[in-house]
Amino acid sequence: NAGVTQTPKFRILKIGQSMTLQCAQDMNHNYMYWYRQDPGMGLKLIYYSVGAGITDKGEVPNGYNVSRSTTEDFPLRLELAAPSQTSVYFCASSYSRIRDNSPLHFGNGTRLTVT
Amino acid sequence: AQKVTQAQTEISVVEKEDVTLDCVYETRDTTYYLFWYKQPPSGELVFLIRRNSFDEQNEISGRYSWNFQKSTSSFNFTITASQVVDSAVYFCALSEAVISGTASKLTFGTGTRLQVTL
Repeated sequence: NAGVTQTPKFRILKIGQSMTLQCAQDMNHNYMYWYRQDPGMGLKLIYYSVGAGITDKGEVPNGYNVSRSTTEDFPLRLELAAPSQTSVYFCASSYSRIRDNSPLHFGNGTRLTVT
Repeated sequence: AQKVTQAQTEISVVEKEDVTLDCVYETRDTTYYLFWYKQPPSGELVFLIRRNSFDEQNEISGRYSWNFQKSTSSFNFTITASQVVDSAVYFCALSEAVISGTASKLTFGTGTRLQVTL
């Protein structure tokens, strides 16, 4: 029972490079999320998805793209990395029904540095 | 707009002391959910508790207890007889009620770093 798996754990990018942060869950959860955590701050929502083929912007979507071709996977794409994207990225998932606000299950995070 | 305030940036206590972490929230929703998450030094986020807005009963789980007061929009977290292993950053979070086609997006506070020393 792996839960939410994020890869890689660490990555250093040069300004302007692109990369994809991978996220997979094996709990058959409908909902998946990407958050970023900046030092001394809480988590901020980047994008989320309520099911395969459906994605929507969160609070801080600029500079990122997502796709959800399967229920299990929710990759986050950075096209032109900028120093402001240096952060720890968390993927999360939840099984959510109406009136059942299930807790988010988080991955272990990806620490990204852009220099 | 929703907002969660954790005014205590950092707290240091000596082992076996009791400690309370404060959380104050703002929302216009009448139905909402409150959460506490723990982030130990290893970095992962561990779910501790969920409380819905209709249930104001306090909850106790071992050395952990939570005090939810709608009148003051607070959802405070107390650790009794703290231990070194409790050292972590603790996040309070708020979510609006889930409705069809939307997701339970959490609004997080900035966290309180708890340091428990011997």
